[in-house]
Amino acid sequence: AQSVTQPDIHITVSEGASLELRCNYSYGATPYLFWYVQSPGQGLQLLLKYFSGDTLVQGIKGFEAEFKRSQSSFNLRKPSVHWSDAAEYFCAVGEDDMRFGAGTRLTVKP
Amino acid sequence: DTEVTQTPKHLVMGMTNKKSLKCEQHMGHRAMYWYKQKAKKPPELMFVYSYEKLSINESVPSRFSPECPNSSLLNLHLHALQPEDSALYLCASSPSLGAGGYTFGSGTRLTVV
Repeated sequence: AQSVTQPDIHITVSEGASLELRCNYSYGATPYLFWYVQSPGQGLQLLLKYFSGDTLVQGIKGFEAEFKRSQSSFNLRKPSVHWSDAAEYFCAVGEDDMRFGAGTRLTVKP
Repeated sequence: DTEVTQTPKHLVMGMTNKKSLKCEQHMGHRAMYWYKQKAKKPPELMFVYSYEKLSINESVPSRFSPECPNSSLLNLHLHALQPEDSALYLCASSPSLGAGGYTFGSGTRLTVV
């Protein structure tokens, strides 16, 4: 079965600093991978997705992610974090039945 | 219209009540999903519908009964729930199975008393 692991439960970064959130997947073939963001009490917003092709994926809000098959990773990055980026971030995998990682809570220090 | 609309936003129900959650989309999507999210946890898949037919049931207790009356509407009927069923219930849709990139509604916050 497909699954993803997010090793970091909570990350704190200063505003303006760069960000990298880690995600490792478990799947034999090329997986469908996603990053979602969730603000408190809200639904989930899709940041970006990877199905195939170019391994560097650009998303909304200045986020990007890189698919690395050799490391089974799909890490999310942003060069300069804004205070409004504070939220819960979920990595997810799946085609017909998307499964989520445990999430990483991002805190942004002023 | 690029939204998934869920109603009600909040619901409090007793353990003997019957209630329904509603989810609607007008994007022409043919796959729809129900997820359950407990506090500080990731969403967990409950049901998947494709072309109004139930495709996946993740061994959800029968006190949760999904229904897809047409391609735009997905309901979740609730009966005899337990306090531990209190959670945020999220609906999502996608163009079809395997298309990826689900669009989520903002959820129904359910409290069972």
